[in-house]
Amino acid sequence: DIVLTQSPGTLSLSPGERAILSCRASQSVPSNSLAWFQQKPGQAPRLLIYGASLRAAGTPQRFSGSGSGTDFTLFISRLEPEDYGVFYCQQYGDSVFTFGPGTKVDVK
Amino acid sequence: EVQLVQSGAELKKSGESVTISCKGSGYSFNNYYIGWVRQVPGKGLEWMGLIFPGDSDTTYSPTFQGRVTLSVDKSFSTAYLHWNNLQASDTALYFCARADGFRDVFDYWGQGTLVTVSS
Repeated sequence: DIVLTQSPGTLSLSPGERAILSCRASQSVPSNSLAWFQQKPGQAPRLLIYGASLRAAGTPQRFSGSGSGTDFTLFISRLEPEDYGVFYCQQYGDSVFTFGPGTKVDVK
Repeated sequence: EVQLVQSGAELKKSGESVTISCKGSGYSFNNYYIGWVRQVPGKGLEWMGLIFPGDSDTTYSPTFQGRVTLSVDKSFSTAYLHWNNLQASDTALYFCARADGFRDVFDYWGQGTLVTVSS
């Protein structure tokens, strides 16, 4: 199975700052089938980015994704107060889909 | 509007069986995969498996193979997740989610069903 590692574990930033979240795969993700989800407490995950860099419907433009192969990044250009939660990367290109452990983002 | 609505919380004892459900609406249920994801309280997300309602073709994560059963009832646009012989370690929040293809992203999610198993 492809193991995903995310860093940092926690990110504490102020509104207006830029956030950079990393997701590294143990082997190349087929077809760059890498997604990013945001999960707020008590809620289901929400799809932000798929195909490594494509915004899902309704995803604000301040969210962008990049990367290929084994290294992927989620950028949040200017944090808004509502951008808190745990952000998970997920690969869906292998026969067994896997999630990363998540990065917790606090917006203080 | 696409919606996945899951059944309510379950409280069970070790050794018991349970089935939770996920009803899709606002789209062609038969033509989209339904996946299931486990989240142990306070922990991350784990992919359990996928089922295609059109033909009930199913893929399981090795972690969950033999522990759970995925099924669908097309006439009710509903997918099911079933356990025999629940264990305390099965206590978790379970989400269903929709995907456009076998290797495709989960674009819509249910609200989650909490299954609590007491020993």
